[in-house]
Amino acid sequence: DSGVTQTPKHLITATGQRVTLRCSPRSGDLSVYWYQQSLDQGLQFLIQYYNGEERAKGNILERFSAQQFPDLHSELNLSSLELGDSALYFCASSVSGSMQTQYFGPGTRLLVL
Amino acid sequence: AQSVTQPDIHITVSEGASLELRCNYSYGATPYLFWYVQSPGQGLQLLLKYFSGDTLVQGIKGFEAEFKRSQSSFNLRKPSVHWSDAAEYFCAVGARGNEKLTFGTGTRLTIIP
Repeated sequence: DSGVTQTPKHLITATGQRVTLRCSPRSGDLSVYWYQQSLDQGLQFLIQYYNGEERAKGNILERFSAQQFPDLHSELNLSSLELGDSALYFCASSVSGSMQTQYFGPGTRLLVL
Repeated sequence: AQSVTQPDIHITVSEGASLELRCNYSYGATPYLFWYVQSPGQGLQLLLKYFSGDTLVQGIKGFEAEFKRSQSSFNLRKPSVHWSDAAEYFCAVGARGNEKLTFGTGTRLTIIP
């Protein structure tokens, strides 16, 4: 158990819908990262937040957005969902915003029908 | 841009045999290197990491990896595999000032009795 929690574990929804994925980092970690794992794209970095502020952005679609709250938990919002958004979404956390070991949560499996 | 290549998509080894999983990276500055393992339906678990210092690093579950700057490689080894090592293994690279992790495509390890 990494100490990073993600909810829900599974999510099934329809095209065009909007969902919110939630992540709680390890106690004491200030940085949260979101990754998407799909069969065709592999594991890809989406976005990083550090202590409530966006720190780095990767291949995140404009339909996707994230935020980190004062209690340091983070949410990833996916809207106007398409079939191709079906994937495993991981959250990871690290102590600081500089290069540190990232500890991954169990992931949220999203299926868009 | 940083990149990681795991040339072996799938490897099959006998239980008790030795294992080496290959990883080559491309990055201009000093890389931070990681190996993660993903069991079916599970999240990513950190096996080991290299930031600096001794180029031979020890990890959990009896794994080790050697950083070879001249070959841009960070191969993962285990002297004797166990059936429980069957999983997917990911090599990743990061760097100070660029905290996102770039992952390889993964190597799926199958263990035969």
